[in-house]
Amino acid sequence: DTGVSQDPRHKITKRGQNVTFRCDPISEHNRLYWYRQTLGQGPEFLTYFQNEAQLEKSRLLSDRFSAERPKGSFSTLEIQRTEQGDSAMYLCASSLIRTGHTEAFFGQGTRLTVV
Amino acid sequence: AQRVTQPEKLLSVFKGAPVELKCNYSYSGSPELFWYVQYSRQRLQLLLRHISRESIKGFTADLNKGETSFHLKKPFAQEEDSAMYYCALKGLRGGKLIFGQGTELSVKP
Repeated sequence: DTGVSQDPRHKITKRGQNVTFRCDPISEHNRLYWYRQTLGQGPEFLTYFQNEAQLEKSRLLSDRFSAERPKGSFSTLEIQRTEQGDSAMYLCASSLIRTGHTEAFFGQGTRLTVV
Repeated sequence: AQRVTQPEKLLSVFKGAPVELKCNYSYSGSPELFWYVQYSRQRLQLLLRHISRESIKGFTADLNKGETSFHLKKPFAQEEDSAMYYCALKGLRGGKLIFGQGTELSVKP
């Protein structure tokens, strides 16, 4: 499968623990996005990178959240001191920015459950 | 404010019936709109975008700037169309997508 890959697919953690998710975008895609989706809602934008630069962060992204894309390829999303409200599906998407083509391809997501 | 509204959480139709999934948006400027679909146990995928003016799997969507709508239509629904459908608006910066809450389409035999 050459699409966007996310790991792990599922994560159960105790409240207060730290978790880290990984996203491998489609090769050569220069933009990478993180979204969060809770039950019954559409995906909500969290942050995005162009190459290794983090260009925008949503107000949804509290200080406990940090994302990196150190070499402009894969990205990690870390949540520190998890809370029950962090339980959600975390989606990653990537796109190649060029004139007239900005389709975003999504991964299958990481489902986080905080108990 | 940029916003996408999908008023129906669930739409249930019989096979062969026409389908219209509603989407309204709020945006200042020239919007770029998309429909994404998520079939059971599959990832979110692009169905169509308004700039392409294409028909995918029999679905079409027309941007109506006067009514700020981008409704998704299909004249004859098929059982395999059953899925979650999300309308999305590309934001002002960076290509991020602003999604509606989604509409679950259920096509009964």
